[in-house]
Amino acid sequence: DGGITQSPKYLFRKEGQNVTLSCEQNLNHDAMYWYRQDPGQGLRLIYYSQIVNDFQKGDIAEGYSVSREKKESFPLTVTSAQKNPTAFYLCASSISQGEQFFGPGTRLTVL
Amino acid sequence: AQSVSQHNHHVILSEAASLELGCNYSYGGTVNLFWYVQYPGQHLQLLLKYFSGDPLVKGIKGFEAEFIKSKFSFNLRKPSVQWSDTAEYFCAVSSSGGYNKLIFGAGTRLAVHP
Repeated sequence: DGGITQSPKYLFRKEGQNVTLSCEQNLNHDAMYWYRQDPGQGLRLIYYSQIVNDFQKGDIAEGYSVSREKKESFPLTVTSAQKNPTAFYLCASSISQGEQFFGPGTRLTVL
Repeated sequence: AQSVSQHNHHVILSEAASLELGCNYSYGGTVNLFWYVQYPGQHLQLLLKYFSGDPLVKGIKGFEAEFIKSKFSFNLRKPSVQWSDTAEYFCAVSSSGGYNKLIFGAGTRLAVHP
């Protein structure tokens, strides 16, 4: 069954801690993306990667980091430098110029 | 910079009413256009897309959208909504060629009452 998995579904973090969100896809897509969804603001692009070992900052990259060591995986680290990390995080993948397919999301809450 | 504007943040309709959700974008070049839907508790999924060709695009579940280049618009329509259409709808745009970066609108939350 092809698709995108994100884990965990819910994540709680104390202030000052880094946390890593997992995203895996078995669609053989080259491109992967991370978005943040906040109520009334739609989705905003954090980072994207067109190919393994390469990634670019999106519109709101400050306080986040990513890696792309494997085609299937694109983990996102929310660092303590991110001032307002509580949000719903969505991972997506696509072929180079096609529709993006989205995972189920991770809801991060900072306590 | 590219931007996408969705005019209605909340829409409430009765079943069988017609739906039109507005979407305008700002970008000077050639674009790809999308409507995504997020049903309660489910993944964001594609309703329809426009890359080129016929500007009237038909999607899943009876939805359609019309690309009007002169108005920079890509409005979503459905002639008769059902309770199961209750969801949040997002318009998105990417530039043709180059990186496949999607710019999303803020979303429209639709509630359909039986």
